[in-house]
Amino acid sequence: GQQLNQSPQSMFIQEGEDVSMNCTSSSIFNTWLWYKQDPGEGPVLLIALYKAGELTSNGRLTAQFGITRKDSFLNISASIPSDVGIYFCAGQTTDSWGKLQFGAGTQVVVTP
Amino acid sequence: DAMVIQNPRYQVTQFGKPVTLSCSQTLNHNVMYWYQQKSSQAPKLLFHYYDKDFNNEADTPDNFQSRRPNTSFCFLDIRSPGLGDAAMYLCATSREGGLAGGIGELFFGEGSRLTVL
Repeated sequence: GQQLNQSPQSMFIQEGEDVSMNCTSSSIFNTWLWYKQDPGEGPVLLIALYKAGELTSNGRLTAQFGITRKDSFLNISASIPSDVGIYFCAGQTTDSWGKLQFGAGTQVVVTP
Repeated sequence: DAMVIQNPRYQVTQFGKPVTLSCSQTLNHNVMYWYQQKSSQAPKLLFHYYDKDFNNEADTPDNFQSRRPNTSFCFLDIRSPGLGDAAMYLCATSREGGLAGGIGELFFGEGSRLTVL
């Protein structure tokens, strides 16, 4: 079953604002991945994290692998309209090779 | 260029009429996955292939079957679709190992949306 808690469930923000979302787990993860999914499309990988404490950026996106290995966050700076979509965290635990567990997703809506 | 290609993008079928969805990849990844995603939900793993080894999730209904004739192709067969099987079906691939010795990064296709009438 799903072990990831992703929050918030949705966010309504104005263009230019920063966005922050996070995922927590009761289990230790050795991989955290962040995906964005547009309506009617498949998820697209944004950032992959493999080490505790790792902080990685991809343009306006920044994600971190928590020190405890049980959490991760994603930040989007200076949001633009095309940031609209659903953002999923996904992770792999040490005893579930080949099986990503997904968070429930964060719906981001950006208004002009 | 698309690296994981799913066909068809949209499939309409009648209740009980078998359906096959296809997935091809140009990444030469040895692991291929099928996920089911219902509206406003996270993707749910149905099964995956590690090379030719098939790994079924315990809660995947028998109605769902898969074939992987070679490295590049994988098929999802739904033998008797019910109304509850209407969903987006996502194919994904990954390369064994990755940077952390785990599954590496998963690459998804654009999905096949199934409608059951």
